[in-house]
Amino acid sequence: GDSVTQMEGPVTLSEEAFLTINCTYTATGYPSLFWYVQYPGEGLQLLLKATKADDKGSNKGFEATYRKETTSFHLEKGSVQVSDSAVYFCALRGDTGRRALTFGSGTRLQVQP
Amino acid sequence: GAVVSQHPSWVICKSGTSVKIECRSLDFQATTMFWYRQFPKQSLMLMATSNEGSKATYEQGVEKDKFLINHASLTLSTLTVTSAHPEDSSFYICSARDPLIVTLYGYTFGSGTRLTVV
Repeated sequence: GDSVTQMEGPVTLSEEAFLTINCTYTATGYPSLFWYVQYPGEGLQLLLKATKADDKGSNKGFEATYRKETTSFHLEKGSVQVSDSAVYFCALRGDTGRRALTFGSGTRLQVQP
Repeated sequence: GAVVSQHPSWVICKSGTSVKIECRSLDFQATTMFWYRQFPKQSLMLMATSNEGSKATYEQGVEKDKFLINHASLTLSTLTVTSAHPEDSSFYICSARDPLIVTLYGYTFGSGTRLTVV
């Protein structure tokens, strides 16, 4: 079945540091890929998505590129802020008709001033 | 954007009692609602999928008589944990899908409910 693996946290960075959160997936066909973010006390929010190979999703300075050859969708940001502190979830939706998302375990990011 | 309101945000209950968790879509119609469960440091695991007006489809290993899901309207879905036991303690989160806005907003999530059974 489909699965998503992402790096364990927490990831602790200083403000303005470069961020990478690794995400790899296993799925048949051509899944859509997502990054969701959960701020403390809030629901998951869609951060960015990519629906086909080589697509780059971007939002709020975050980027991720759909790499089918490496089955990866790593999240990057060039300069993190304290306000980026949250839990980040990588997810996929397969193309087999099942509409639910398959999630990774989440990575907590802590950005220190 | 689309908002899902989930209540309660946390609940403590005694073993053997039942707990109801509500999810309401505030400004859109949730034709499909997904219910997830998350154990500490683990992924969100899909429990069931419900479509408005029909019975929920449960994932393998999820007891449908224990986790009752009702999706009676396009704006409200409930999950009732019946005869709760300590092993049911977990974080439960709902996710709503509106086919008219999913392309723009994706799936909209509630803020989750932390259930502790003592």
